[in-house]
Amino acid sequence: NAGVMQNPRHLVRRRGQEARLRCSPMKGHSHVYWYRQLPEEGLKFMVYLQKENIIDESGMPKERFSAEFPKEGPSILRIQQVVRGDSAAYFCASSPGTSGGAYNEQFFGPGTRLTVL
Amino acid sequence: AQSVTQLDSQVPVFEEAPVELRCNYSSSVSVYLFWYVQYPNQGLQLLLKYLSGSTLVKGINGFEAEFNKSQTSFHLRKPSVHISDTAEYFCAVTQVGYGNKLVFGAGTILRVKS
Repeated sequence: NAGVMQNPRHLVRRRGQEARLRCSPMKGHSHVYWYRQLPEEGLKFMVYLQKENIIDESGMPKERFSAEFPKEGPSILRIQQVVRGDSAAYFCASSPGTSGGAYNEQFFGPGTRLTVL
Repeated sequence: AQSVTQLDSQVPVFEEAPVELRCNYSSSVSVYLFWYVQYPNQGLQLLLKYLSGSTLVKGINGFEAEFNKSQTSFHLRKPSVHISDTAEYFCAVTQVGYGNKLVFGAGTILRVKS
């Protein structure tokens, strides 16, 4: 069973360009989380999605950032008009779902390291 | 809202010595607690988790952690470290019963020296 896959692993963009980060969850997982890790910091939650639905986007910057998880295909984190401050590692995690108070483990991908020149 | 404080940004230790990485959390509701390890340029791997039950939790690679509700702590320990344990360790919490989004501490870099 393949783990969570993210691509590209490394992405270089110039200021003002768009960045698209992809995340393919583990087989059978319908929930995806995106986290951002800035240099010298821990991971910060960005957004939580189920298939075709955004459940919690409380950690997403209000502008330039968007996320989707279509019925078919990977989840996409899109950053428009990138700035140097967007340089970070972006991690995706997937889980099989949530049910009441039960915990469903999140499995992390290897991350995409975005560098903005 | 929850928050996590990892009191040490770096912990140097000699091989075969014991180590403790400290983690304190703040939350007004019940939480689940986790420790993750991150090797350079890799993703996060779950070391152990506390969901309920025994407050002493054993994980992979010989690590264990103890949940102390009165002190709101979840310190990670290993009795004898190896060079291969050199990595960054993250403590995390999530609120019980809500979406499972994780709140992470800033991380502790464990450097094991020979």
